[in-house]
Amino acid sequence: DAGVTQSPTHLIKTRGQHVTLRCSPISGHKSVSWYQQVLGQGPQFIFQYYEKEERGRGNFPDRFSARQFPNYSSELNVNALLLGDSALYLCASSLIGQGNQPQHFGDGTRLSIL
Amino acid sequence: GDSVTQMEGPVTLSEEAFLTINCTYTATGYPSLFWYVQYPGEGLQLLLKATKADDKGSNKGFEATYRKETTSFHLEKGSVQVSDSAVYFCALSLNTGNQFYFGTGTSLTVIP
Repeated sequence: DAGVTQSPTHLIKTRGQHVTLRCSPISGHKSVSWYQQVLGQGPQFIFQYYEKEERGRGNFPDRFSARQFPNYSSELNVNALLLGDSALYLCASSLIGQGNQPQHFGDGTRLSIL
Repeated sequence: GDSVTQMEGPVTLSEEAFLTINCTYTATGYPSLFWYVQYPGEGLQLLLKATKADDKGSNKGFEATYRKETTSFHLEKGSVQVSDSAVYFCALSLNTGNQFYFGTGTSLTVIP
């Protein structure tokens, strides 16, 4: 069975541009979460979506937005990119988004801002 | 707030040595606890989990016990292998949602 898939794997942008990252969850999983992992740190929670509705939002500016589609795939959008947005962006899925369920992670999108 | 504190690395061990990576947590309510492993260039893989106090999670020779009295979830393995070299993350999730709080990670290198 396919795991969580993310695209693209690598992306280079310049300051001020915007970016869209995509994620397909494991088949049957209805919850998708997004995390930012800066080099040498643990992942930081950005968003959680379940059944197309936002269920949680981390401490990130409004430049970050996301949505979930009827097929449970998801997009993360970041506007007005800053150098500090350079990071590995991880998508994770779980069955129904409850706290005792593990999240299954994709390999991430490496975003570099020049 | 809710958080996880991990033992700082990097940790270097010889093959077949005993491994302990300390993890303590702060949480409102009763969290579920997880260990994830990240190999170079890859995403995080679930290693083990425990969802209530005194539960022991285990997988691939790794073990961790959910200790409510000490708010800890230390990772242990009796005999490490070179293939265990990776970064290990402790994480918690509150049962009211599915947001994960991760520690900063502990890098483990096992030398032959």
